[in-house]
Amino acid sequence: DSGVTQTPKHLITATGQRVTLRCSPRSGDLSVYWYQQSLDQGLQFLIQYYNGEERAKGNILERFSAQQFPDLHSELNLSSLELGDSALYFCASSVVGVSTDTQYFGPGTRLTVL
Amino acid sequence: QKEVEQDPGPLSVPEGAIVSLNCTYSNSAFQYFMWYRQYSRKGPELLMYTYSSGNKEDGRFTAQVDKSSKYISLFIRDSQPSDSATYLCAMSSHSGGGADGLTFGKGTHLIIQP
Repeated sequence: DSGVTQTPKHLITATGQRVTLRCSPRSGDLSVYWYQQSLDQGLQFLIQYYNGEERAKGNILERFSAQQFPDLHSELNLSSLELGDSALYFCASSVVGVSTDTQYFGPGTRLTVL
Repeated sequence: QKEVEQDPGPLSVPEGAIVSLNCTYSNSAFQYFMWYRQYSRKGPELLMYTYSSGNKEDGRFTAQVDKSSKYISLFIRDSQPSDSATYLCAMSSHSGGGADGLTFGKGTHLIIQP
């Protein structure tokens, strides 16, 4: 158990809908990273927050957004969902917030778009 | 050409064998190299972390980095059935003060036959 929690574990929804994925980092970690894992693209970095502020952006679509709240939990919002958004979404946390930190991954949320 | 190339396997070896897993990369700015292990439907777990070129050993695991060839390896000695998992290499160019996510290979699926 990495200490990072993610909810829900599974999410099934329809195209065009909007969903919110939630992540609670390990106690004491200030930085949260979001990743998407699909069969064809592998694990891809989406976005990073550090202590409430956006710090880095990767291959995140404009339909996706995220935020980190004062209690340091983070939410990833996915809107206008398409079939191709079906994937595993992982959250990772680290202490300081540089990628060379050890990143601890949560168990993931499996999103299925029908 | 993808930034990080990794043979997806599956790689099947008998218990007790030495396993060699490899990644090649194209971005010469990468300085930090990691290996993650991912069991089915779980989050990635950090195994090894190496800076720049050289070797690092931890128990049955040895990580090697050859920056001149842009090639990294993970060796597993005395492989066990519990080592059966997907192994992901990951890389980053930033040191302290920088911020970005990790760039992952697609992973090699390893099967250790009892």
